[in-house]
Formats: sequence, C-alpha cells, structure tokens
Amino acid sequence: QLQLQESGPGLVKPSETLSLTCTVSGGSISSSSYYWGWIRQPPGKGLEWIGSIYYSGSTYYNPSLKSRVTISVDTSKNQFSLKLSSVTAADTAVYYCARHERKRGDYGLGYWGQGTLVTVSS
Amino acid sequence: DIQMTQSPSSLSASVGDRVTITCQASQDISNYLNWYQQKPGKAPKLLIYDASNLETGVPSRFSGSGSGTDFTFTISSLQPEDIATYYCQQYDNLPPLLTFGGGTKVEIK
Repeated sequence: QLQLQESGPGLVKPSETLSLTCTVSGGSISSSSYYWGWIRQPPGKGLEWIGSIYYSGSTYYNPSLKSRVTISVDTSKNQFSLKLSSVTAADTAVYYCARHERKRGDYGLGYWGQGTLVTVSS
Repeated sequence: DIQMTQSPSSLSASVGDRVTITCQASQDISNYLNWYQQKPGKAPKLLIYDASNLETGVPSRFSGSGSGTDFTFTISSLQPEDIATYYCQQYDNLPPLLTFGGGTKVEIK
C-alpha cells in the first residue's frame, strides 16, 4: 500500500524559507506513471496546488507561487522536497504531498500524505 | 489563468436526498475536471476523474457529468458518511497545471 509522509519544521519565521520533505513508501517514486506534487490549505480555507515534479526532475509550478517555489526529487531516497522562500503569515497552511496520475492522463491526486501544519510566525 | 467557480459554497440536505454541486470554468476545459471529498481533519480523496469516471472503490451513488465549461457532481442518495467538503479541480495538459474550485460544504439537515 502506497504511503506518503510529510516531514519538516512546524514553525518558520517570516522572510525565511519553508522546507518540507515527502517520503514515499510502498512504491517507487521513479515510476513513469505518476507525478509527485505539493498542495496546501490555509486554516479554514480551500486547496491550492503549489507544484509537481516528475522523477526525471521536470518541475511544474503554480504561476502565482513560481518565483518562490523549488521542488526537487531524490530518487535514491524515494523522497521529494518543497522549498518556499520569503514566507509570510499568508503561507501558514497545512501542506500535503500527493501522487498524481500521469499515464492515465487525468492528473488526479489519488494518494495523499496526512498533511503537516506549518505556521509562519516570529 | 483558468478560474473555477463552484456553487453553492455550502448546502444542507436530508439523508436520502439527491445533492448536486456545480463547477464552472472560465474557459473551455474539455473534460479535464476531477472531484474530491475532504472530511474534517483529513486529506482529500479523489472520487471522480475526467469529469465522469468513478475512481476505483468509490460508491456508485457518486457521479459526475459535463464538459466544456459546466460540470455537475451528484450524490444520488445522501448518506451520513458523505458529510464533507467537496472540491472540483481542473487541470491543464502539458504542462500539468492544477486549479481547485472553492469547495462546497455538505451538511445534514
């Protein structure tokens, strides 16, 4: 059974860089059938796609966040990571990692991590 | 950028009722639309992909339809365990870019 687990600091200071890692177990991140993505949800609000990566390293970002986001992959560790720079209180959210379809063509996010709350505060 | 307008933002219905949620795209997105269910404190769950295809293991009381700019998500007979917030999600093909609707909170009357 595929599992995804987010890890990283739960508190980040304003203007600093938020860093999270997603560890994938029960399946290979190097599969050609999937992309791996990050989605966030501010408390009490809706979902926002941050960006996704293919195991080869190709990345796709939300245009509204592109200037601050870097997503990378480490196939040897079966992990992918998110860095969001120059954070503000508006970046406080639950951050989810997820797997989404590529080969099927619908980009559906079929497997999700449990999510991790990141608070931006001094 | 494509905008997704979901309505209503919330609804209250009785067990056994038919529930309908709509999602409108700001431009033609063909059938590039997925639907998710999110229960409180949990990650979202994919229910419908490509507008009308039921994800494996999802009960048949859930369905989706539409193409172009107008889409509908239906629960044919609302069950207590269906209490959740539902989101539509559009995707651009090549490169993959995803946009979520604002969500619809479904409650039991």
